[in-house]
Amino acid sequence: EIVLTQSPATLSSSPGERATLSCRASQSVSTYLAWYQHKPGQAPRLLMYDASNRATGIPARFSGSGSGTDFTLTISSLEPEDFAVYYCQQRNNWPLTFGPGTKVDIK
Amino acid sequence: QVQLVESGGGVVQPGTSLRLSCAASGFIFNTYAMDWVRQAPGKGLEWVAVVSNDGDTKKYADSVKGRFSISRDNSENTVYLQMNSLRVEDTAVYYCARTMRQGVAATSDAFHMWGQGTMVTVSS
Repeated sequence: EIVLTQSPATLSSSPGERATLSCRASQSVSTYLAWYQHKPGQAPRLLMYDASNRATGIPARFSGSGSGTDFTLTISSLEPEDFAVYYCQQRNNWPLTFGPGTKVDIK
Repeated sequence: QVQLVESGGGVVQPGTSLRLSCAASGFIFNTYAMDWVRQAPGKGLEWVAVVSNDGDTKKYADSVKGRFSISRDNSENTVYLQMNSLRVEDTAVYYCARTMRQGVAATSDAFHMWGQGTMVTVSS
């Protein structure tokens, strides 16, 4: 099973700041990595797929990069609605796995 | 409007069974693989199972293999999760999710659309 590790566990930031979230895989997942945003009481929302492609309707302030084992999700300027938990997920190998999440909260 | 609506959750005792349903609308159901993903209280997301668009391919997380069974009825635009021998650790919100791309090759894919989830509590 591919284990995904996310860092930091919590990121305390202010609106307008840049946020950089990391996801590391225990073995190569090529570019088969997705990012999701999840808010309490809501369904998760797909942000990025295949490492660097924004999903439909996702603002340009979200960007993704990486390949192999190291990936980054960047939010260029945090908006109030961006404070949430972010998960990475790989689809290169069965079983599909998620990282433990990074909580982005307001400083 | 693309929509996924889960149902069937509830409170059950350990060792019993429950069947979850997910009714889909707003897209051509038989062209997309469908997944179940769960979130235990205070925990992260955990993929549970997937069924390909044609129903021929099914995959499971090790934690549920042999106990849970995923199926679909393309004539009813519904995907199911039959959960047997339930354990306390199966307590979670269960989401159904649709893959982003169509076709059998997209059985392993990002989860583009999600339902609002249904709560399953396993407790004695």
